Amino acid sequence: DAGVTQSPTHLIKTRGQHVTLRCSPISGHKSVSWYQQVLGQGPQFIFQYYEKEERGRGNFPDRFSARQFPNYSSELNVNALLLGDSALYLCASSLTGTTESFQYFGPGTRLLVL
Amino acid sequence: GQQVMQIPQYQHVQEGEDFTTYCNSSTTLSNIQWYKQRPGGHPVFLIQLVKSGEVKKQKRLTFQFGEAKKNSSLHITATQTTDVGTYFCAGPGANSKLTFGKGITLSVRP
Repeated sequence: DAGVTQSPTHLIKTRGQHVTLRCSPISGHKSVSWYQQVLGQGPQFIFQYYEKEERGRGNFPDRFSARQFPNYSSELNVNALLLGDSALYLCASSLTGTTESFQYFGPGTRLLVL
Repeated sequence: GQQVMQIPQYQHVQEGEDFTTYCNSSTTLSNIQWYKQRPGGHPVFLIQLVKSGEVKKQKRLTFQFGEAKKNSSLHITATQTTDVGTYFCAGPGANSKLTFGKGITLSVRP
């Protein structure tokens, strides 16, 4: 079975631009979470979606938004990019989306903001 | 808010040596999860501990959950170069938020 897939793998943007990152979960998984990982840090929780509903939100500004589609794939949108948004953006899927579910991570999208 | 702490952030060992690292949470956890991230890769789930005092083994890796469910340890017996990577612990909090520690990056000298 295919694992979690993310696109694109790499992206270069300039300050002020907007970016959309995409994620497809493992087949059968209904929950998708997004994380931001800055070099030298652990993944920081951004959003969790389950059955197309937002279930959790981390401490990120309103410039960050996400949604989940009927096929359980997801998009993360970031508006008005700042230099500090440069990071590895990870998508993770899980079966139930409860805190007892462990996460399967995708390969990530490396975003560089210039 | 909830904090998950892993200290130190880096450790260097000689191949064949044992290695132990610890994870501490500011709050009691319902479970704790460990992940490994190889250089240039993404986190990969290793194990989940749920019960107080639980011990689980995966080959040369031994994981333990503290009695108070606020800390955990990872012990690697006779490290190998394949053990290189960053090990993260993570604990669930409010609003479905999984909080990760900063991780410990293990390097192994052959």
